[in-house]
Amino acid sequence: GENVEQHPSTLSVQEGDSAVIKCTYSDSASNYFPWYKQELGKRPQLIIDIRSNVGEKKDQRIAVTLNKTAKHFSLHITETQPEDSAVYFCAASTNAGGTSYGKLTFGQGTILTVHP
Amino acid sequence: DAGVTQSPTHLIKTRGQQVTLRCSPKSGHDTVSWYQQALGQGPQFIFQYYEEEERQRGNFPDRFSGHQFPNYSSELNVNALLLGDSALYLCASSSVLAGFETQYFGPGTRLLVL
Repeated sequence: GENVEQHPSTLSVQEGDSAVIKCTYSDSASNYFPWYKQELGKRPQLIIDIRSNVGEKKDQRIAVTLNKTAKHFSLHITETQPEDSAVYFCAASTNAGGTSYGKLTFGQGTILTVHP
Repeated sequence: DAGVTQSPTHLIKTRGQQVTLRCSPKSGHDTVSWYQQALGQGPQFIFQYYEEEERQRGNFPDRFSGHQFPNYSSELNVNALLLGDSALYLCASSSVLAGFETQYFGPGTRLLVL
């Protein structure tokens, strides 16, 4: 089955710096890659996603890049703010028989801390 | 526009007991997926329901079962609870029209098995 590896496990930055989190996946059939932000005691929130027919997607301070050949994708957060502090999870959607039923396989998570 | 809701928020059970967790999907969504999130880990896929049928299942034993109702809400049942079943149980809803993959999570039910 699909396996998603996420690095680093913890990331500490100063306010205003950029943060980059990287994920690799194993199943070349995966074609949907969302990123979730989970604050302590809260639900995972979808912050951005990308499909395999796109190489990059941007939404204000957040961007995601995808390299299908290398099977890795990354989350980029610019001008970080203390409220960006949370656990970030990447995920990949595995196709089943050519039809995606939306099973998400998650990475282990990255604890991002933004110091004021 | 109501988001995904789950009940109860917390639950304490003892080994061997059975538990039922409930989920109401986001308005307009017809698909519900269930995930187990152990402390410090990413969510793990349990199964997905669409049109009242289980469409796909992860690597969980038969003690984990579910159901979807005509109004798209769903239940997760766990029998013969083990200590290792202690976790946050999340449901996520999506729409076949928007693609099953784009999933929005509920707040979760935190289950503690003693």
